[in-house]
Amino acid sequence: DAKTTQPNSMESNEEEPVHLPCNHSTISGTDYIHWYRQLPSQGPEYVIHGLTSNVNNRMASLAIAEDRKSSTLILHRATLRDAAVYYCTQEGGYNKLIFGAGTRLAVHP
Amino acid sequence: GAVVSQHPSWVICKSGTSVKIECRSLDFQATTMFWYRQFPKQSLMLMATSNEGSKATYEQGVEKDKFLINHASLTLSTLTVTSAHPEDSSFYICSATGLRNYGYTFGSGTRLTVV
Repeated sequence: DAKTTQPNSMESNEEEPVHLPCNHSTISGTDYIHWYRQLPSQGPEYVIHGLTSNVNNRMASLAIAEDRKSSTLILHRATLRDAAVYYCTQEGGYNKLIFGAGTRLAVHP
Repeated sequence: GAVVSQHPSWVICKSGTSVKIECRSLDFQATTMFWYRQFPKQSLMLMATSNEGSKATYEQGVEKDKFLINHASLTLSTLTVTSAHPEDSSFYICSATGLRNYGYTFGSGTRLTVV
């Protein structure tokens, strides 16, 4: 089954950039990489997704390795509201999203 | 943007009773809906995938007779936990996708507590 691996936790200071890595070595050529984040007792919130090229939106940037076996979510200036669990997910067939363990991001003032 | 409404947000039920959770796509047609379960401090675990008008496809280890999923319309899917027991207490989350460019939109989750 599709599997992603991420560090368990990371820390950042407010207004500093954060780079959250993810390995997805089993990804197939047509499966997108999706990133979500989750606050306690809430459903996951969409952050960004991409296929091959680097992607930017108002929340973050996604840098995808040339071999697509890894990617990095970049928060350009972390805020306290960015503290959450970040999930890197890949499609696991039949369009289903398989979640890895996620990275718990702590942001310090 | 795409919105998925999940109801109720929390429910407490007695052991042995059944509980129904609803998941509605408010502004798009959800051709596929997914149901996840999440235990405290753990990740989301996919339970099943349902396509409108078809039987749900359950992940390995998920009891289809215990977790009944109905996806009778393009905007509504329901998950019924039958004969609930305390070990079924968990956070249940639905997700929906329509055309590919909608991505995956998640509901806000339902906290089920079985006493």
